[in-house]
Amino acid sequence: KNQVEQSPQSLIILEGKNCTLQCNYTVSPFSNLRWYKQDTGRGPVSLTIMTFSENTKSNGRYTATLDADTKQSSLHITASQLSDSASYICVVTPTSGTYKYIFGTGTRLKVLA
Amino acid sequence: EPEVTQTPSHQVTQMGQEVILRCVPISNHLYFYWYRQILGQKVEFLVSFYNNEISEKSEIFDDQFSVERPDGSNFTLKIRSTKLEDSAMYFCASSLQGQGETQYFGPGTRLLVL
Repeated sequence: KNQVEQSPQSLIILEGKNCTLQCNYTVSPFSNLRWYKQDTGRGPVSLTIMTFSENTKSNGRYTATLDADTKQSSLHITASQLSDSASYICVVTPTSGTYKYIFGTGTRLKVLA
Repeated sequence: EPEVTQTPSHQVTQMGQEVILRCVPISNHLYFYWYRQILGQKVEFLVSFYNNEISEKSEIFDDQFSVERPDGSNFTLKIRSTKLEDSAMYFCASSLQGQGETQYFGPGTRLLVL
């Protein structure tokens, strides 16, 4: 069964610190892996997208990595800001025959002043 | 920057009532989607829609659900007879192309069934 699991479930860090969020997936084969940011009560917003052949992708202070061999991805946030407080969701798109996204369980990040 | 919009932002209804959730996708997008998120759970796919027909649906999308693109701009999700377990946040999304393309999500409609 296609699954996307994330850890930790929640994380609290101080402003200015770095953090890394993890994603493990069983979706195979897949075409893309995305990281989305979801503010409370809002829709998810795309941060990064990687194909199965890419290892890393950056978007400002966000850097995503992908290891297709171990089926793991991570999202590293550098110099966190209060506005980074949100849920971060790993989303995988299977390769063929489907349009749907498979969402991970999400990591809820809280950045404190 | 163009965005997906949804109305209403909140909807409260009685069990057994019909509700229609509305979405205006990004204007040049061709593929449309509905997802739902029960409080505290992950986002789940409901249905995708292209060329005026359903292209894919999940097991959640049973006969109580229907989708429609009544005109050139709106995309609706109808729940015919709501159940308590339909209470969730419903997200509409759209994409320019289909499989593998980035989907852009609306802000969601929070549905509460009493």
